[in-house]
Amino acid sequence: DSGVTQTPKHLITATGQRVTLRCSPRSGDLSVYWYQQSLDQGLQFLIQYYNGEERAKGNILERFSAQQFPDLHSELNLSSLELGDSALYFCASSVGTRGNIQYFGAGTRLSVL
Amino acid sequence: QQPVQSPQAVILREGEDAVINCSSSKALYSVHWYRQKHGEAPVFLMILLKGGEQKGHEKISASFNEKKQQSSLYLTASQLSYSGTYFCGSGSSNTGKLIFGQGTTLQVKP
Repeated sequence: DSGVTQTPKHLITATGQRVTLRCSPRSGDLSVYWYQQSLDQGLQFLIQYYNGEERAKGNILERFSAQQFPDLHSELNLSSLELGDSALYFCASSVGTRGNIQYFGAGTRLSVL
Repeated sequence: QQPVQSPQAVILREGEDAVINCSSSKALYSVHWYRQKHGEAPVFLMILLKGGEQKGHEKISASFNEKKQQSSLYLTASQLSYSGTYFCGSGSSNTGKLIFGQGTTLQVKP
């Protein structure tokens, strides 16, 4: 158990809908990262938050947004869902930013039908 | 730019050794190695930092050649539990962003 908690584990929804994925980092970690893993794209970095502020952005779609709250948990919001958004979404956390070990949660499997 | 891993796939017998390589076209600040079993979360194995610092599991060894922008992961006396997909991630020098390679699938047979 990495100490990073993600909910829900599975999510099935329809195209055009909006969903929210939640992540609680390890105790003491200030950074939260979101990654998307699909069969043909591997592990893709989406976004990083550090102590409530956005720190780095990857190829995150405009339909996706994230935030980190004062208690350091984070949410990833996916809207206007398309079939191609079906993937495993991982959250990871680390103490600091660069050069830190990132511990991954178990992931949320999103299926868009 | 995504790091390039080689080989793409490896099949071993228990007890055999393997090397997985990771190359980048950009200067590497840090290299992070993870193992992932199908449908599970990536599990941290090793981090190698510019300047020589390393953190990782005792039974895992790796190297980091800053000049060649390459890293290698050494798996010795492989066990069945070593099976999975190995990813290297290139770390940013000013954020925590990791860019992962495409993965190397390792299968260890009895």
